Amino acid sequence: KAGVTQTPRYLIKTRGQQVTLSCSPISGHRSVSWYQQTPGQGLQFLFEYFSETQRNKGNFPGRFSGRQFSNSRSEMNVSTLELGDSALYLCASSRAPGTEAFFGQGTRLTVV
Amino acid sequence: AQTVTQSQPEMSVQEAETVTLSCTYDTSENNYYLFWYKQPPSRQMILVIRQEAYKQQNATENRFSVNFQKAAKSFSLKISDSQLGDTAMYFCAFMIETGANSKLTFGKGITLSVRP
Repeated sequence: KAGVTQTPRYLIKTRGQQVTLSCSPISGHRSVSWYQQTPGQGLQFLFEYFSETQRNKGNFPGRFSGRQFSNSRSEMNVSTLELGDSALYLCASSRAPGTEAFFGQGTRLTVV
Repeated sequence: AQTVTQSQPEMSVQEAETVTLSCTYDTSENNYYLFWYKQPPSRQMILVIRQEAYKQQNATENRFSVNFQKAAKSFSLKISDSQLGDTAMYFCAFMIETGANSKLTFGKGITLSVRP
């Protein structure tokens, strides 16, 4: 059974640009959550999607957005990138909200 | 709001020895889950063990076991017979059981080094 797949693994962007990250959950999992990991702030919750609906959103500016498709795949978008957006972005999939979460390998975003 | 505290930033243990990683949390909820995740240098977050708050029995998974003290809001991880592959960052995490708010709240993590 394939795990959670995140693409791309690494990304370098320039300040002001926008970026889209992708997450394919484990087959049969319908819930996808996103987390940002930085050395200073640790792991912080971005948002959670279930059945194409955003159920929960963390304390991040509106530049951070996401969506979920009918096949449960999810994308997150960050517009007008800032240097502080450099981080490891982790996606987690669950069978349903409130159940065990399995993480992907993450996308390392560097903003220069 | 829920908080998770891991007060030890780093620990080191000799191979084959036992080590305990500490975690405390704060919540007003009664039903919740607690987790320990391992993040090796590859950055893949791996679930080590989970504990349901309503269960009095401590969870165990092979060499990994927890000491869950609900009244004290403490959730420590014991690693027995430490192996070199256990070298990683370990995160304690909390999730409310109700589906309305199922995000994971993580502690800051602890870096564990296993010495040969």
